[in-house]
Formats: sequence, C-alpha cells, structure tokens
Amino acid sequence: AQSVTQLDSHVSVSEGTPVLLRCNYSSSYSPSLFWYVQHPNKGLQLLLKYTSAATLVKGINGFEAEFKKSETSFHLTKPSAHMSDAAEYFCVVTFEDSGYSTLTFGKGTMLLVSP
Amino acid sequence: NAGVTQTPKFQVLKTGQSMTLQCAQDMNHNSMYWYRQDPGMGLRLIYYSASEGTTDKGEVPNGYNVSRLNKREFSLRLESAAPSQTSVYFCASIIIEESSYEQYFGPGTRLTVT
Repeated sequence: AQSVTQLDSHVSVSEGTPVLLRCNYSSSYSPSLFWYVQHPNKGLQLLLKYTSAATLVKGINGFEAEFKKSETSFHLTKPSAHMSDAAEYFCVVTFEDSGYSTLTFGKGTMLLVSP
Repeated sequence: NAGVTQTPKFQVLKTGQSMTLQCAQDMNHNSMYWYRQDPGMGLRLIYYSASEGTTDKGEVPNGYNVSRLNKREFSLRLESAAPSQTSVYFCASIIIEESSYEQYFGPGTRLTVT
C-alpha cells in the first residue's frame, strides 16, 4: 500500500537552531513529493516540491528538502529557525500509478519554536 | 484571477440538517478535490473529479455527495449532517502537465455540527 509517514507529531526547537522534520513514503512507483505549511487557522501554503528533477529542492523561507530514493525519505530542513516558522507542516505525496491525480497527506508535524 | 474560492467560510449546523459547500476555480483546471482536515489526521480525500462529468470516491466518502457542475465548480453536499462531520473542509484544484504539477487550495470552510 502507498503511504506517507511523518515520523514526529511534534518537534520543538529554539530560535536560531536547525530544524529537521522527517517524512518517509512507501511506494514502488515514482513519487512526486511536497511540503506544505499551515499556520494556525490559516490555509495551506506550498513550501517546496520534488517532481523528479534535482534531488535537493529549495523552497520558500529558507526551507529545503532532499529526496533520497534509497531511503524513501523527503526530510524538510532549515538551518536556523525563526519564531514565525511555528506552524504545522504536512508532507504530501502523489504517485505515478494514480497518474499523479490523487494526493496522500501525512498526519502533520507541529513545529514549536521557543525564544 | 481569484484562484480557488470556497463558500461559506464558517457554518454551524444541527444534527440532521443538510447543506452544500461551494467551490470554484478560475484557472481552467480539469481536476478538483474535496478534503477534510481533522486534528492529528492530516487532510483526507473525500471525493475528487478528474474531469468535468466524472467523480470518484476518496478515502472518506461516507455521508457526502458531490456534483461537478461544470469545469469551474465542484460542490460538496451533506444530506444529513452528523457531529462526526465537524471539520475543516478544503477544496483544491490541480493541473498536471508534462513538466509540472501545480496544486491550489481554497481557504477552507470550518463546519461545526451540534
């Protein structure tokens, strides 16, 4: 079965320290992968996407993610957290066998940033 | 170009009442989707429409119906609302082209069923 797993439901960091949000997917087909951010009571904003081009993807607000096929992972990182990064983050995947027509969302990781 | 719009933004229903959530996109996308978001569950697909005239069930279709009225509009209907349908509902449209894949989400409808 195809699935996406966000390994941490909550991640706490201090402002100025690195951020790592982990995501693994399970599929034998070629995936396209995305990270979305959702601030409290707001909609979804696309941070970055991987669609079979460069494996290191740079997104907005200093975030980046690396697609590692051998590890079936697409972890999100940022060198230095800012208070405004506090939000919920979703790893999202779509697969070639569905014609990339349906998205599967991870359950989300809440990022908490302390001063 | 308004992107994806949803109405209403907020709604409170009593158990057993019916309502329709409206979604429209002005980007000429073929595919449209309805998701629900619940705490700790991410977004789960309710129904989708790959093209005008077609609809398919997603992960959690029970208690819902959809209509793809035309290429722009995709509505979600709750015939007899239940407290378990209290959630935030997001509509989305997607364009899939050879070298790109773009998704656009509406702002959401927050529904409470008492």
